[in-house]
Amino acid sequence: GAGVSQTPSNKVTEKGKYVELRCDPISGHTALYWYRQSLGQGPEFLIYFQGTGAADDSGLPNDRFFAVRPEGSVSTLKIQRTERGDSAVYLCASSSTGTEGDTQYFGPGTRLTVL
Amino acid sequence: GESVGLHLPTLSVQEGDNSIINCAYSNSASDYFIWYKQESGKGPQFIIDIRSNMDKRQGQRVTVLLNKTVKHLSLQIAATQPGDSAVYFCAENSGPTGNQFYFGTGTSLTVIP
Repeated sequence: GAGVSQTPSNKVTEKGKYVELRCDPISGHTALYWYRQSLGQGPEFLIYFQGTGAADDSGLPNDRFFAVRPEGSVSTLKIQRTERGDSAVYLCASSSTGTEGDTQYFGPGTRLTVL
Repeated sequence: GESVGLHLPTLSVQEGDNSIINCAYSNSASDYFIWYKQESGKGPQFIIDIRSNMDKRQGQRVTVLLNKTVKHLSLQIAATQPGDSAVYFCAENSGPTGNQFYFGTGTSLTVIP
């Protein structure tokens, strides 16, 4: 079946602009995660959804970052007033139930470049 | 000025040899650990996991060892193949829901044919 998909694959924007990054999880997966990966680093946790609600958003770096999952499936990560330091690959993952031991399946990521 | 990127630890092995990749974790309260493989341009791919009540777990060609005393994980890959070339990350669970995963910096494995 289809895996996790993310769009766009690449996004170039200018400093100060607003961007939206989309994640389509595996069908039926209730848990969804967003990570950010900078060059040469491991993924950094941003937020975890269980269904429609954000169960843990403690990884969001500041209030310019926001994520939604209104119908418990597709999620959108929104970044306001982008800064050059926001440049990274944004990864989305989903898992069946979100319980421990439940494998997280990652998408290919969206590479965001802020000029 | 010129920017300097971070350099991943690297490991080069001959095809057919065994590989050992090490990872130190930080949180003694973490009770679940995962190894991921990440190829260029792709998201991380699950390899194997282990819970803190175990010290060894085996999969197909891979073994994970956990030493809680020194907070150390290792991934052993038997008979390494060119397709194993990738960056390998260990991750530990944390956070109030146990669903935050903290990833290490990663190790870049290159398999020499």
